[in-house]
Amino acid sequence: QLMLQESGPGLVKPSETLSLTCTVSGASISSTTYYWGWIRQSPGKGLEWIGAFYYSGNTYYNPSLKSRVTISVDASKNHFSLKLSSVNAADTAVYYCARHGLSTYVRSHFDYWGQGTLVTVSS
Amino acid sequence: DIVMTQSPDSLAVSLGERATINCKSSQSVLYSATNKNYLAWYQQKPGQPPKLLIYWASTRESGVPDRFSGSGSGTDFTLTISSLQAEDVAVYYCQQYYSNPPDLTFGGGTKVEIK
Repeated sequence: QLMLQESGPGLVKPSETLSLTCTVSGASISSTTYYWGWIRQSPGKGLEWIGAFYYSGNTYYNPSLKSRVTISVDASKNHFSLKLSSVNAADTAVYYCARHGLSTYVRSHFDYWGQGTLVTVSS
Repeated sequence: DIVMTQSPDSLAVSLGERATINCKSSQSVLYSATNKNYLAWYQQKPGQPPKLLIYWASTRESGVPDRFSGSGSGTDFTLTISSLQAEDVAVYYCQQYYSNPPDLTFGGGTKVEIK
């Protein structure tokens, strides 16, 4: 059974960097043929795709967030991470990690989701 | 980017009755080379992540009850719950995955309640 679990600080100060980790169990990130990504949900902007990576090296980001986002992977720990820099109140949201459901395609629906973690940006 | 617009924002339906949710994309999400519509539907209950119901506009995800169905093509899509059950109370979202380069976008959601 594939499971994803987000972890990280629930409170980040304005202008600092938000850092989250998604730990995957039930599958190996490095040996599957799927993209793995991040999505966030806020009352103001609804569901918003942040970006995704493929273990072989391809990474894609939402154009509106691209200048502030980095997604990286640690295959030895079977987890991947999100960094969002220069945060402000508009970045307050529930952050989800998810698997893109179509093998080898980033242009895909999402078939497995983590439970989500609330990150609040506030001083 | 492709803007997804859902209607209505909310609806109340009696148990056993049909619920219909609409989703309109600002440009076609039908890819001519594959003749597939790059559109998915999700159900989200309070405190839970979205759950995939439908992809390719009309393909039901494994384990999803057959009272859920998706239809439409191009820019206009519909999610139908043929006979509403109490456990179907949730917010429903559409999502397009057509954009290239990738910019996956969601609709604003439709809240379904019991009348």
